[in-house]
Amino acid sequence: QSALTQPASVSGSPGQSITISCTGTSSDIGGYNYVSWYQQHPGKAPKLMIYDVDKRPSGVSNRFSGSKSGNTASLTISGLQPEDEADYHCCSYTSSYTGVFGGGTKVTVL
Amino acid sequence: EVQLVESGGGLVQPGGSLRLSCAASGFTFSDHYMDWVRQAPGKGLEWVGRIRIKTNSYTTEHAASVRGRFTISRDDSKNTLYLQMNSLKTEDTAVYYCGREIPGSFYFDYWGQGTLVTVSS
Repeated sequence: QSALTQPASVSGSPGQSITISCTGTSSDIGGYNYVSWYQQHPGKAPKLMIYDVDKRPSGVSNRFSGSKSGNTASLTISGLQPEDEADYHCCSYTSSYTGVFGGGTKVTVL
Repeated sequence: EVQLVESGGGLVQPGGSLRLSCAASGFTFSDHYMDWVRQAPGKGLEWVGRIRIKTNSYTTEHAASVRGRFTISRDDSKNTLYLQMNSLKTEDTAVYYCGREIPGSFYFDYWGQGTLVTVSS
């Protein structure tokens, strides 16, 4: 199972919106609505931000939203804030009953 | 409060073995699938494997990269998840996290703080 494809880095100014893509195949992202996104600050454990493509856990800001089209999922951060600077990882369930992550995207707030 | 605490990491030589533990508290451990995820230095996350619950016969899945070398198990009486790692390779060097999987979906709502495994001679 190959890793999902994410851009290595995305940047934006405070207040702007950015979108991180996550591309897989019909055997993972395209086949299931089990895409999740995790935020990870340096030296810390990942934190769940989005699950089941577009659902937000309690306590996560509504500035974070998720979507999916075909084999590509996306995470959008609107109203970018300095504390959003972190690594973001996408994850999907696969047809082999396994999980697969993307390579991670470093978000920089300019 | 849900807590997951990993332990057992350390330095091991190539070809060696190590067993990681993940102690769970604050929820009904026996009701949840549990997973291991690792992160090599400076790299992204990699799913390692999962173990289901008793009603699913404690069945497991492992990533191809560790299949045949790593084994996931659990002891519901001790609220503890395990990862037995054998035939370790230098590329297994990583921080290993345990995560609580949510039934009926596939995501991890709680993670441990991670334990570092270094495979080096």
